[in-house]
Amino acid sequence: NAGVTQTPEFQVLKTGQSMTLQCAQDMNHEYMSWYRQDPGMGLRLIHYSVGAGITDQGEVPNGYNVSRSTTEDFPLRLLSAAPSQTSVYFCASSYLLGGAWGYTFGSGTRLTVV
Amino acid sequence: AQTVTQSQPEMSVQEAETVTLSCTYDTSESDYYLFWYKQPPSRQMILVIRQEAYKQQNATENRFSVNFQKAAKSFSLKISDSQLGDAAMYFCAYRANNNDMRFGAGTRLTVKP
Repeated sequence: NAGVTQTPEFQVLKTGQSMTLQCAQDMNHEYMSWYRQDPGMGLRLIHYSVGAGITDQGEVPNGYNVSRSTTEDFPLRLLSAAPSQTSVYFCASSYLLGGAWGYTFGSGTRLTVV
Repeated sequence: AQTVTQSQPEMSVQEAETVTLSCTYDTSESDYYLFWYKQPPSRQMILVIRQEAYKQQNATENRFSVNFQKAAKSFSLKISDSQLGDAAMYFCAYRANNNDMRFGAGTRLTVKP
């Protein structure tokens, strides 16, 4: 049981390049979400999904796209990378069980845009 | 919009002593969930404890306990018998039924031997 797998672990991009951060979970969780963590700040929600085919924006969605074609995968696309998108990105899947929410986080992707 | 405030950027505790980390939140919801997460230098997000707002009893997990004051919108974390391995960033987080998780800015906890 791998949990939430994020790839790559590290990435350096040039301004204007595009890329996709991958996120996969094998726990059959309906909810998945993407966060970014900047120095001195907590995680901020970028986009989230409540199930396959359904996505919605979070606090900081600009510059990012998502899609959810399967329950397992929730990729995050950077359309045209900017230095302001330098951050650590976390993917999470979540579930409601017995009236309590549980979250499983990936190990993060450290992205640097130069 | 829901906001989560952690007013202590840094805290320090002596090994084996007790420390309390503060968290307040703002919401108009009546049903929601609160969490404390630990993030060591490995950057892994580790759940410490969680509390459902409909439960009046404060959650406890071994050396970790919370003081949940719903009317005051306060959710503090108490760590008893602090250990060196408790040193990390601690994040308070809030989740309502229709939104995903919102985090505070974090408190860096140092444990002195």
